[in-house]
Amino acid sequence: AQSVTQLDSQVPVFEEAPVELRCNYSSSVSVYLFWYVQYPNQGLQLLLKYLSGSTLVKSINGFEAEFNKSQTSFHLRKPSVHISDTAEYFCAVSVYSGNTGKLIFGQGTTLQVKP
Amino acid sequence: EAGVAQSPRYKIIEKRQSVAFWCNPISGHATLYWYQQILGQGPKLLIQFQNNGVVDDSQLPKDRFSAERLKGVDSTLKIQPAKLEDSAVYLCASSFSPGTGGFHDGYTFGSGTRLTVV
Repeated sequence: AQSVTQLDSQVPVFEEAPVELRCNYSSSVSVYLFWYVQYPNQGLQLLLKYLSGSTLVKSINGFEAEFNKSQTSFHLRKPSVHISDTAEYFCAVSVYSGNTGKLIFGQGTTLQVKP
Repeated sequence: EAGVAQSPRYKIIEKRQSVAFWCNPISGHATLYWYQQILGQGPKLLIQFQNNGVVDDSQLPKDRFSAERLKGVDSTLKIQPAKLEDSAVYLCASSFSPGTGGFHDGYTFGSGTRLTVV
């Protein structure tokens, strides 16, 4: 069965410091990987995704994630965080077979950026 | 483009009462999903529709939860009777059909309905 594990439930960090949010997945079939962000009292927003090709994918607001097949990981990183990055981050895997597909989420990581 | 619309935004009910949530997906998205997000956890898929047919409802507590998607567009999720542990945010999402080029553009989520059962 497919699953996603986010290794840290909370990550406190000071503003302008680098951050890494860790994500590992398990799957016996090809997967597509996503990071979603959820700001307080808002819905889930797609941050970035890996479908194929370059293993390093980037978002428009400075986040990047690298797909590592051998380590079954898809860690999210940002070299310098801002207060506005404070949110819940969810790693997810899209399992696709034939004409069915679904998104399976990890437990989430709360990023707390402190001034 | 308009996003996924959900209503109501908040709902408070007493246990054993019934409640219904409504979702209108993005136009052209054939696949619709209902997720349950309990506080402190990641969203869990409850049910997935392809047009108006159910593709996956393996994690739907069918003794109390039901969902329908008439005409392959809007969907409703109902809980009857509600229990305290049903308190959660119920998220609706939609996507293009698996197998089509647009599927992996991603899933678009609504803002959710926050249910509190007291």
